[in-house]
Amino acid sequence: AQSVTQPDIHITVSEGASLELRCNYSYGATPYLFWYVQSPGQGLQLLLKYFSGDTLVQGIKGFEAEFKRSQSSFNLRKPSVHWSDAAEYFCAVGPHNTDKLIFGTGTRLQVFP
Amino acid sequence: EPEVTQTPSHQVTQMGQEVILRCVPISNHLYFYWYRQILGQKVEFLVSFYNNEISEKSEIFDDQFSVERPDGSNFTLKIRSTKLEDSAMYFCASSEQTGSIYEQYFGPGTRLTVT
Repeated sequence: AQSVTQPDIHITVSEGASLELRCNYSYGATPYLFWYVQSPGQGLQLLLKYFSGDTLVQGIKGFEAEFKRSQSSFNLRKPSVHWSDAAEYFCAVGPHNTDKLIFGTGTRLQVFP
Repeated sequence: EPEVTQTPSHQVTQMGQEVILRCVPISNHLYFYWYRQILGQKVEFLVSFYNNEISEKSEIFDDQFSVERPDGSNFTLKIRSTKLEDSAMYFCASSEQTGSIYEQYFGPGTRLTVT
């Protein structure tokens, strides 16, 4: 069955530190992969997506993610975190030939000054 | 920038009551979705809707649920007889095209509490 795992429920980092949020998926082929962010009171906003081609994708707000087929992973990274990055981050897969997205449980990021 | 809006932000209802959650998708979008997230669990797909018909639905979307586009701007989710386990955050989304490859734009959600 298709699924997404985000192993880290809650991560705390200092402002200016680097960040990596983990995402592993289970899917028979190469899925469409997404990272969404949700700030308090806001909807889910798309940070970046991977469909094919270059396995390192750049997104908004200085985020990037790398697709690693051998590890079934799509980890999100940012070299230097800002206090405004504090939010909930969701990894999702989009199976082919379907409308739906399959989400992970999310990782809550807390940023200390 | 266009955005998806949802009302109310928080709805409290008693078990067995009917609730209607409302969404206004982005105006030029034709495909609409509902997802929900029970506290501490994953965001789950409920249903997709296009051209006044359900395109796809999950096993969660049983006869207690229905969706409707009553006019040119609103998209609603109705739960006929709420149960305690329906307590969740409900997200509406819309997209220009169908298929998971296309970006879905999400609203801020409605928190439904069933007592």
